[in-house]
Amino acid sequence: QSALTQPPSASGSPGQSVTISCTGTSSDVGGYNYVSWDYVSWYQQHPGKAPRLMIYDVSERPSGVPDRFSGSKSDNTASLTVSGLQAEDEADYYCSSYAGTNANWVFGGGTKLTVL
Amino acid sequence: EVLLGESGGGLVQPGGSLRLSCAASGFTFSSYSMNWVRQAPGKGLEWVSSISGSGTYIHYADSVKGRFTISRDNAKNSLYLQMNSLRAEDTAVYYCGRLRNNAFDVWGRGTMVTVSS
Repeated sequence: QSALTQPPSASGSPGQSVTISCTGTSSDVGGYNYVSWDYVSWYQQHPGKAPRLMIYDVSERPSGVPDRFSGSKSDNTASLTVSGLQAEDEADYYCSSYAGTNANWVFGGGTKLTVL
Repeated sequence: EVLLGESGGGLVQPGGSLRLSCAASGFTFSSYSMNWVRQAPGKGLEWVSSISGSGTYIHYADSVKGRFTISRDNAKNSLYLQMNSLRAEDTAVYYCGRLRNNAFDVWGRGTMVTVSS
């Protein structure tokens, strides 16, 4: 149950776009046992707060999440893009993926997004 | 409004036990898989355990297998985590989370567990 790999930090100026990557393996982000699946999700966490779901199933946005947030995936790497950066986007971001029946769910190490 | 609220955290000595609870409201509790996710101080999120809506299917992270037991009482809309043989590395904020659309869409505020002598 190894964690997914995320860059520890990312930054951008207000109005710019930033992309955070999340690299896994063919046993989680890429799928399992030769079966591909799109079970990657992204969470935003402000200091001292609970995580908030921002993206599910690679690219779907829950109700209430601004369309500035988008997700994608290619092979074993998923990405979260935040467009039109705003001050309130400054937070930690975590990716997560289903990892098969035994391993269940795995998270990335987190990326601290700084709005300059 | 869909809400989750954890309780039961506290300070416990190494080797001790603690039972966490998570109260759910605003949704049909028995229809959803529920999970525990923890976060050590200054660290990232770690999935701990999951239980299906009926309680039939249960899974644990290797780090807690054999020491922690997840359970639920659908009549009381409650989720539990019995933690035994606690270690310093179990120190963390423990969150309960609802699984929906292959993601944790609702989270509680968390309860802090500190394992220290």
